[in-house]
Amino acid sequence: DGGITQSPKYLFRKEGQNVTLSCEQNLNHDAMYWYRQDPGQGLRLIYYSQIVNDFQKGDIAEGYSVSREKKESFPLTVTSAQKNPTAFYLCASSISPGTGNTGELFFGEGSRLTVL
Amino acid sequence: GNSVTQMEGPVTLSEEAFLTINCTYTATGYPSLFWYVQYPGEGLQLLLKATKADDKGSNKGFEATYRKETTSFHLEKGSVQVSDSAVYFCALSDRAAGNKLTFGGGTRVLVKP
Repeated sequence: DGGITQSPKYLFRKEGQNVTLSCEQNLNHDAMYWYRQDPGQGLRLIYYSQIVNDFQKGDIAEGYSVSREKKESFPLTVTSAQKNPTAFYLCASSISPGTGNTGELFFGEGSRLTVL
Repeated sequence: GNSVTQMEGPVTLSEEAFLTINCTYTATGYPSLFWYVQYPGEGLQLLLKATKADDKGSNKGFEATYRKETTSFHLEKGSVQVSDSAVYFCALSDRAAGNKLTFGGGTRVLVKP
């Protein structure tokens, strides 16, 4: 079945360590996104990519990095520069704007990162 | 910039009660509007959407109408079930901004038997 797979589902990190969250999609979507969700709060956009080898910062990009070397993959690295990284991270994808896309996103099941 | 405001929760209801979650938005263009639902420990799923004024989105007994004059997209369900317990997010998509979604803060709904 087509979908978005995020891994790991749970991750623990010590302070000062970088960690990478995986996001893979087999929906043949051009655009991919990373959101952060904190308890009781909405989603905030970290980075997004509308095409391979290109990505843009979202609203809270500081302390994060991404790459988009393949259409199917959009990994997120949480660096030691991120001051408060404990959160639920959601990856999403969509077809490109301008192709009849109304903006609907398809989400993975999320990765919960806890800094010890 | 774009923004979405929705009522804060938690909203606690009894089974078969009527549910309304208010959502209003601010946008510079003509956005598409969405309601997403998040069950515990999971990602978000699209519940319904509307792409232009006066459109009504519906799914699983939920409905919402795109009201341009009041910039609102309130979610309603006539008779909730325990399985409707979740967090509901209102969102808008602005094509001029690359279809990035702007989310409201989410409303937690708890339905008791």
